[in-house]
Amino acid sequence: EADIYQTPRYLVIGTGKKITLECSQTMGHDKMYWYQQDPGMELHLIHYSYGVNSTEKGDLSSESTVSRIRTEHFPLTLESARPSHTSQYLCASRVGGADTQYFGPGTRLTVL
Amino acid sequence: GENVEQHPSTLSVQEGDSAVIKCTYSDSASNYFPWYKQELGKGPQLIIDIRSNVGEKKDQRIAVTLNKTAKHFSLHITETQPEDSAVYFCAASLGGNTPLVFGKGTRLSVIA
Repeated sequence: EADIYQTPRYLVIGTGKKITLECSQTMGHDKMYWYQQDPGMELHLIHYSYGVNSTEKGDLSSESTVSRIRTEHFPLTLESARPSHTSQYLCASRVGGADTQYFGPGTRLTVL
Repeated sequence: GENVEQHPSTLSVQEGDSAVIKCTYSDSASNYFPWYKQELGKGPQLIIDIRSNVGEKKDQRIAVTLNKTAKHFSLHITETQPEDSAVYFCAASLGGNTPLVFGKGTRLSVIA
């Protein structure tokens, strides 16, 4: 079982609210990732980090932002949530390029 | 950049039959190929992986084969059981800091 955690697991909020999705791992992994998963299954990479103070945008444009101040923590923030942000958000981490990537359980976000 | 195609998108098999999911990749420099299983309400979990110096790998009822020349790899599940029903993702990695590139997923249903 992977030591990677996401909170909250479920979140329902109104349009315009600021939210932060939390992701933390206790494996000491340098690389961390955020994916958005649509109902059609596909995983879209929205942000990633190589290590502390490193953040990169992924393949899918996202209005969210991330920060990496500590190795174990990679929060994702939406400044003003909209219904189009409704989705499943998955966090993941791994050590190196050919090492196992572990996923968290996900946060299901609904914006009304 | 790397591109991974996965087929089929849905697959239904009778319990006890075999299931095969196929993926192709575009970048011959990719050297790591993991397979993930995602059950309802959970994050993807690694079930098996293969590196480019190996042609086949087995773990009980699951196996992965890699054809570097043709740039394709496949997941084989034998003696399928209802608990094998899930979404399966293939991925490819160039190693180093490059994020995994995922296929679009296959929804496998095992009919009892």
